[in-house]
Amino acid sequence: EAQVTQNPRYLITVTGKKLTVTCSQNMNHEYMSWYRQDPGLGLRQIYYSMNVEVTDKGDVPEGYKVSRKEKRNFPLILESPSPNQTSLYFCASSFEGAGDTQYFGPGTRLTVL
Amino acid sequence: GQQLNQSPQSMFIQEGEDVSMNCTSSSIFNTWLWYKQDPGEGPVLLIALYKAGELTSNGRLTAQFGITRKDSFLNISASIPSDVGIYFCAGQRVGGSNYKLTFGKGTLLTVNP
Repeated sequence: EAQVTQNPRYLITVTGKKLTVTCSQNMNHEYMSWYRQDPGLGLRQIYYSMNVEVTDKGDVPEGYKVSRKEKRNFPLILESPSPNQTSLYFCASSFEGAGDTQYFGPGTRLTVL
Repeated sequence: GQQLNQSPQSMFIQEGEDVSMNCTSSSIFNTWLWYKQDPGEGPVLLIALYKAGELTSNGRLTAQFGITRKDSFLNISASIPSDVGIYFCAGQRVGGSNYKLTFGKGTLLTVNP
């Protein structure tokens, strides 16, 4: 089944404790992206990757890191999480670019205490 | 980053009614997308528009790319309970990156059976 998977689905952590949210797609997509969703703000793009080893900042990249060492994986790293990073995070992928049909993962709900 | 102005923020309608929502911006867009998010899931692409004036249908859904390239609307005809969810517009600005996507804040639709 073609899908985007994220892990964990739910995470409660404390300020400053490094964490990684994994994202994997099995559709051989070139493009992958991370978004955060906050009440009243819609979705905002954090980082995206056009291909292996090629990443760039979205609109809200502060406090996040990403890597794209393999085509199928695009982990989101929070080196020192803070409470304002409490949010619902979505990973998405497409064959080419953000204007192409993006397939979203199920989401990761992160709470930073 | 700039967000799109999406309205209305929420709608409460009776089953069978038609629904209309729209997105506007002060910038010119070359792509307009409409996504739906069911409760507890990631967004799913409903309709993609790539040309000014384009009118596209997907079942009971119809969307148009505004002539000015600064707006788009989505209509849902004869609503049913499974239409419940959050509807997002999204777009790519002219002159912007093909890899970045700007979302509206969403329209929460509730359908009373």
